[in-house]
Amino acid sequence: TQLLEQSPQFLSIQEGENLTVYCNSSSVFSSLQWYRQEPGEGPVLLVTVVTGGEVKKLKRLTFQFGDARKDSSLHITAAQPGDTGLYLCAGDGGKLIFGQGTELSVKP
Amino acid sequence: KAGVTQTPRYLIKTRGQQVTLSCSPISGHRSVSWYQQTPGQGLQFLFEYFSETQRNKGNFPGRFSGRQFSNSRSEMNVSTLELGDSALYLCASSWGDRLVTEAFFGQGTRLTVV
Repeated sequence: TQLLEQSPQFLSIQEGENLTVYCNSSSVFSSLQWYRQEPGEGPVLLVTVVTGGEVKKLKRLTFQFGDARKDSSLHITAAQPGDTGLYLCAGDGGKLIFGQGTELSVKP
Repeated sequence: KAGVTQTPRYLIKTRGQQVTLSCSPISGHRSVSWYQQTPGQGLQFLFEYFSETQRNKGNFPGRFSGRQFSNSRSEMNVSTLELGDSALYLCASSWGDRLVTEAFFGQGTRLTVV
């Protein structure tokens, strides 16, 4: 069974701080996606990474796919209250397999 | 372009009843998947449909079933509801024959079983 473990589960930080969320597995994934979900809404796709070692940037968000395609990270620079939400990683295991999510709270 | 539409948004049912949830994918999308989201278990895969065929099924009991129509709209049914079925049920659609190409999620149906 393919599993994705995210850490930390909860993160509460002050505006302006940096943070990193990790997504790890013992399985290899052909691609990995990151989503952000706000309360009462469905997840929204942020990025898809497909190549081992790939780094993608989306404004203040930096996504990295591990060389072995078993892990990924999301780094947010200078977090803002608008970044608050549930961040989910999902791997392509024939179907989308989701991590448990990281609940991020950014306080003004 | 309209997004993925799920109806109803909220539902309260009694144990033992059955429920049908509906999902209209983005126009042109032929792949539809369903997920159950709970605080304790996160997003759990239920099933995936493409061109009216179930391509993949998660580890849920037979009380959970689904189908897809020729216009790609999908429904899922849960029979003999249990308290533990209370969850947010999410539908996602994709243009390709695999959901993993890029999944667009609906807002979900919040099911409460009392």
